[in-house]
Amino acid sequence: DVKVTQSSRYLVKRTGEKVFLECVQDMDHENMFWYRQDPGLGLRLIYFSYDVKMKEKGDIPEGYSVSREKKERFSLILESASTNQTSMYLCASSPLQGINQPQHFGDGTRLSIL
Amino acid sequence: ELKVEQNPLFLSMQEGKNYTIYCNYSTTSDRLYWYRQDPGKSLESLFVLLSNGAVKQEGRLMASLDTKARLSTLHITAAVHDLSATYFCAGSNFGNEKLTFGTGTRLTIIP
Repeated sequence: DVKVTQSSRYLVKRTGEKVFLECVQDMDHENMFWYRQDPGLGLRLIYFSYDVKMKEKGDIPEGYSVSREKKERFSLILESASTNQTSMYLCASSPLQGINQPQHFGDGTRLSIL
Repeated sequence: ELKVEQNPLFLSMQEGKNYTIYCNYSTTSDRLYWYRQDPGKSLESLFVLLSNGAVKQEGRLMASLDTKARLSTLHITAAVHDLSATYFCAGSNFGNEKLTFGTGTRLTIIP
């Protein structure tokens, strides 16, 4: 089974802090994704990556950056956390384009910015 | 830009009844996914629908895809309590793994 592991289930940070969310997958997937989930809005894509050191903006990249130095690890960075970034963050991975497999999700990190 | 709309947003139904969740999408999508999410849990993949007329079934859940109508449905037959969850549909554009999710349908099965 695919395992996508997010480093924290719950995280509380203060406004202005730099926040790192980590995600590791164990299935050698090329694609990795970061979403945020808010009530009534579903999941919205922040950033995704097709390969090491590759990244592309999703629908809501403002205020976020990402890093993919190794294939199995994809990090989401909040450069200067703000209260409107309080949310549930979900990481996902999937195999290479063209293989019709679903994205596999981690358990999520519930982030509160005070 | 692909947009995905689900309805209803909330659904309460009695055990034993049948119901359908609808997923409309705005532009051509080459595949349609259905996911389930239990409270406090991650998303679990239910179905991947790849072509017009595709139908997949797992237990009391059946998903179908009509690409001409840009519509997918998730049909629940003889609902039972353990089907209570939030269900999401998601589409992707041709040649692109980026998914666009609907807002989700929170399903509550009442005994």
